[in-house]
Amino acid sequence: KQEVTQIPAALSVPEGENLVLNCSFTDSAIYNLQWFRQDPGKGLTSLLLIQSSQREQTSGRLNASLDKSSGRSTLYIAASQPGDSATYLCAARSGSRLTFGEGTQLTVNP
Amino acid sequence: SAVISQKPSRDICQRGTSLTIQCQVDSQVTMMFWYRQQPGQSLTLIATANQGSEATYESGFVIDKFPISRPNLTFSTLTVSNMSPEDSSIYLCSVDQAGGPDTQYFGPGTRLTVL
Repeated sequence: KQEVTQIPAALSVPEGENLVLNCSFTDSAIYNLQWFRQDPGKGLTSLLLIQSSQREQTSGRLNASLDKSSGRSTLYIAASQPGDSATYLCAARSGSRLTFGEGTQLTVNP
Repeated sequence: SAVISQKPSRDICQRGTSLTIQCQVDSQVTMMFWYRQQPGQSLTLIATANQGSEATYESGFVIDKFPISRPNLTFSTLTVSNMSPEDSSIYLCSVDQAGGPDTQYFGPGTRLTVL
């Protein structure tokens, strides 16, 4: 059974800092890994998807990497802004099923 | 990307009653999914809803408690039956974007509070 863990559970940084969110998964036989953002009381917004054959994906200030053999993914956020404050979830896909981590709650202080 | 709407966006219900949540997608999709997010926790898959067949439930979830309908390729409903306070959660619908990079898209969620 796939298990996904995210570290840290919460993170508070000053505006402008670069930061890294970590995601690990126990079963490396994944189809892809997806990073989401969730604002309080809201649904999920897809940020980046990395296929199992890829090493990284970039979108604007976001960069996600995937090391399938070690069961790890990282989400790098450059030059953080207060608007980046949210909970970030990673999800590993096996077949049609997504297994989610518990999330990292990010606060970027002005 | 698929645009997903859910109704209601939130509701407060009494113990023992049932609530049906609707999910509408702006394009035809093969697979639709229902997730639950309990307070302070991450998402857990309830079931996969396929058009023309019975839903497939994950371990710990049963059809009598969470009946699902999927009458066509753009619509699904999830009913939370005989509710108790433990059912207070956000319920989210999601879809696979077939033919693309297999991104899953999520609806805005339904926030349910059971008193």
